Amino acid sequence: GQQLNQSPQSMFIQEGEDVSMNCTSSSIFNTWLWYKQDPGEGPVLLIALYKAGELTSNGRLTAQFGITRKDSFLNISASIPSDVGIYFCAGRQGGSEKLVFGKGTKLTVNP
Amino acid sequence: NAGVMQNPRHLVRRRGQEARLRCSPMKGHSHVYWYRQLPEEGLKFMVYLQKENIIDESGMPKERFSAEFPKEGPSILRIQQVVRGDSAAYFCASSETGYEQYFGPGTRLTVT
Repeated sequence: GQQLNQSPQSMFIQEGEDVSMNCTSSSIFNTWLWYKQDPGEGPVLLIALYKAGELTSNGRLTAQFGITRKDSFLNISASIPSDVGIYFCAGRQGGSEKLVFGKGTKLTVNP
Repeated sequence: NAGVMQNPRHLVRRRGQEARLRCSPMKGHSHVYWYRQLPEEGLKFMVYLQKENIIDESGMPKERFSAEFPKEGPSILRIQQVVRGDSAAYFCASSETGYEQYFGPGTRLTVT
């Protein structure tokens, strides 16, 4: 089945650093969503993007919907220990409500 | 406003038994989705339902798996005659419009 390519797979950073991760696909998506998942829990929606080129912020998080509609980026500024977790991108194509997920970026923040 | 509720949170079944997973969507949400997650993997779509209707079951295995969302009560994902390969985390999500999906805490199924 279709899958999104998410990178990097994992990141180890110091508290206070900025983080960037991205998601790419060979297909066009109409909606991009970014989720965070903590161990033993369900994914929590962070940001939703609906238009090519759209840039949306949620606190220290900023995400962009790529112009080609085949990619999306998530940035976290001034990371803190509670940012630790797995970040997933998900895309939705036209005419369908199912989400296609990336494999996740595992973020570790050292205090 | 309560979030998506799933129960049980953990379920252990022996091979050949049936597993029933329940999901109550957020209040006002009529779209329900089921996803499966294997360790170290992303979520994989299984089925999309609205009240009393299966809209998209393209990700559902052809045998042993079924889903329903009755007029009254929670959505149910049913796995008959479970096998070890069914061990996974199963997540339900709900949506009001079909655009943003909100996930429940999941049911971790272990088949022994």
